[in-house]
Amino acid sequence: DAGVIQSPRHEVTEMGQEVTLRCKPISGHDYLFWYRQTMMRGLELLIYFNNNVPIDDSGMPEDRFSAKMPNASFSTLKIQPSEPRDSAVYFCASSLADVREQYFGPGTRLTVT
Amino acid sequence: RKEVEQDPGPFNVPEGATVAFNCTYSNSASQSFFWYRQDCRKEPKLLMSVYSSGNEDGRFTAQLNRASQYISLLIRDSKLSDSATYTCGSSNTGKLIFGQGTTLQVKP
Repeated sequence: DAGVIQSPRHEVTEMGQEVTLRCKPISGHDYLFWYRQTMMRGLELLIYFNNNVPIDDSGMPEDRFSAKMPNASFSTLKIQPSEPRDSAVYFCASSLADVREQYFGPGTRLTVT
Repeated sequence: RKEVEQDPGPFNVPEGATVAFNCTYSNSASQSFFWYRQDCRKEPKLLMSVYSSGNEDGRFTAQLNRASQYISLLIRDSKLSDSATYTCGSSNTGKLIFGQGTTLQVKP
């Protein structure tokens, strides 16, 4: 299995621009998670899906952030408009069940200038 | 108070030393526990899962104490290649909450 796939790996954009991060979970995994990691706050759960349905988005920082999962093999995290404080590494992870191990993608390193 | 508390370290130990990391969790309903290893500029990778009282894999031992609500990770005979950040997580119905991560530096 190729594991969780994320794109792009690096993104540099200017403040105010729209940013779209993409994720392909491991085939057969029913759960998909989006995390943000910074030095100050560590790994924070933003939102997670079960069978393509958003279950908990309480970690989404504000309305500028949105996530979708149109099918079992694809999810996007969008930031519009982006701000410098959004600079972080964004990880996508997937798991087979809700209390089972999560497997992380390589992450997208976002820099907003 | 954070739901999962972990000493951020750093821990600096010589090769061959035994080192222990501890995490406490506040949600008594947590069902599963995990230890992840993260190398610099890489993604977290699953090191061990802990579903019952403990788990052992070679030089690594994870223990769970539900009464006191803590999990621990013991690394014996540490190697230079063990240098990384080790993060605990507790899971309850889908949400995996992570600790802050503990940085380990093993020195020759």
